[in-house]
Amino acid sequence: DGGITQSPKYLFRKEGQNVTLSCEQNLNHDAMYWYRQDPGQGLRLIYYSQIVNDFQKGDIAEGYSVSREKKESFPLTVTSAQKNPTAFYLCASSITPSGGGGANVLTFGAGSRLTVL
Amino acid sequence: GENVEQHPSTLSVQEGDSAVIKCTYSDSASNYFPWYKQELGKRPQLIIDIRSNVGEKKDQRIAVTLNKTAKHFSLHITETQPEDSAVYFCAANPSGYSTLTFGKGTMLLVSP
Repeated sequence: DGGITQSPKYLFRKEGQNVTLSCEQNLNHDAMYWYRQDPGQGLRLIYYSQIVNDFQKGDIAEGYSVSREKKESFPLTVTSAQKNPTAFYLCASSITPSGGGGANVLTFGAGSRLTVL
Repeated sequence: GENVEQHPSTLSVQEGDSAVIKCTYSDSASNYFPWYKQELGKRPQLIIDIRSNVGEKKDQRIAVTLNKTAKHFSLHITETQPEDSAVYFCAANPSGYSTLTFGKGTMLLVSP
């Protein structure tokens, strides 16, 4: 569905637990991104990766971790250090990284909604 | 870093009216300005974009204008329809940066 699959769609977590959100793409895109969406806050960048085995922090990386061991996969771990993890998380990819005048269209996944109980 | 302000946060119009959403950006080096539409419960999707060497771009009922001097760009939707109801996000991409900076979104409600 749309080339990017996020799972699970809904996730509940107890305080103090780590949780990992999956993001897989079959678009052969080089770059992948994680955004957090809260009501009235827009889309805020958590982490992004331009190539395999490399990733950079976004604007709100504290309390999150990622890995990029394969081109197709970019999982996000929400750790217990994230003080307010309840949110809607969107994964996205682009053919090549935006920037340098060669900006590219983002393709988004359907999102994962995390609720901390 | 780049800062994108988007207004209004909500916009209600009658079917057939026009709707305008405005964004300002802070980094004069930004050179790419896309607009994404997110329908309720769905993923954001690109609807139109403009690059800094162009002042206006149209695609059927939607258009985007860019004023580089004033550092603002706008989305114009004419002859609005109920299916235009959604949250719209503007974004800017500073030259040399690998990511987009998004505005906080505008919820557009089109009443029949």
